[in-house]
Amino acid sequence: QSVLTQPPSMSAAPGQTVSISCSGGTSNVESNFVSWYQHLPGGAPKLLIYDDDKRPSGIPDRFSGSKSDTTATLGITGLQTGDEAEYYCGSWDSSLRAVLFGGGTKLTVL
Amino acid sequence: QMQLVQSGPELRRPGASVKVSCKASGNTFSSNYVHWVRQAPGQGLEWMGIINPSGATTTYARKFQGRVTMTRDTSTSSVYLQLTGLTSDDTAVYYCARKPTSAATLDLWGQGTLVSVTS
Repeated sequence: QSVLTQPPSMSAAPGQTVSISCSGGTSNVESNFVSWYQHLPGGAPKLLIYDDDKRPSGIPDRFSGSKSDTTATLGITGLQTGDEAEYYCGSWDSSLRAVLFGGGTKLTVL
Repeated sequence: QMQLVQSGPELRRPGASVKVSCKASGNTFSSNYVHWVRQAPGQGLEWMGIINPSGATTTYARKFQGRVTMTRDTSTSSVYLQLTGLTSDDTAVYYCARKPTSAATLDLWGQGTLVSVTS
């Protein structure tokens, strides 16, 4: 069981907007940066968001990150069929001295 | 364009050990920390540990302490993951990933190495 909690699955139609939550605690999400990853079947995870709300070069602005207290959120606007993937949040935990990942959210674009 | 290239798939018997390599091509990553992360079939991402740029310092997830060793060879821009006492639960795809800035930012990933443990 992951210490960072994500909804196991979400679905939405093309063009719509989704928000994926990542709930943690004071020793991880609240006090350390959160990153988000997109994982397509057969490939390596891809960094979408780092330091809570920053996008690496090449990541479209349809992807956004935010954080409030112990919950981080990944937003995806203008959903495309190519966005269908597993999404993971990650954060350092100061107590465990470890990187924690959420359990992953499988996004289906109907 | 820098890439991380990992070694090929491995097949091991229970109780054996495995060593996976990760080599930087197109540039070096001598100044970067490197994480190791694995994903078992049908499961999520699991962090295993991290090694510092010189290779002198490692931090391992508690679950793997005593069984895992991370090393690096700066002369060849390579890092290594060794896991001993393998069981079927260790069957997974193992990834190396570069850490450029904050602790949980993994910005460049290897292609993954499948390690299968079966009798």
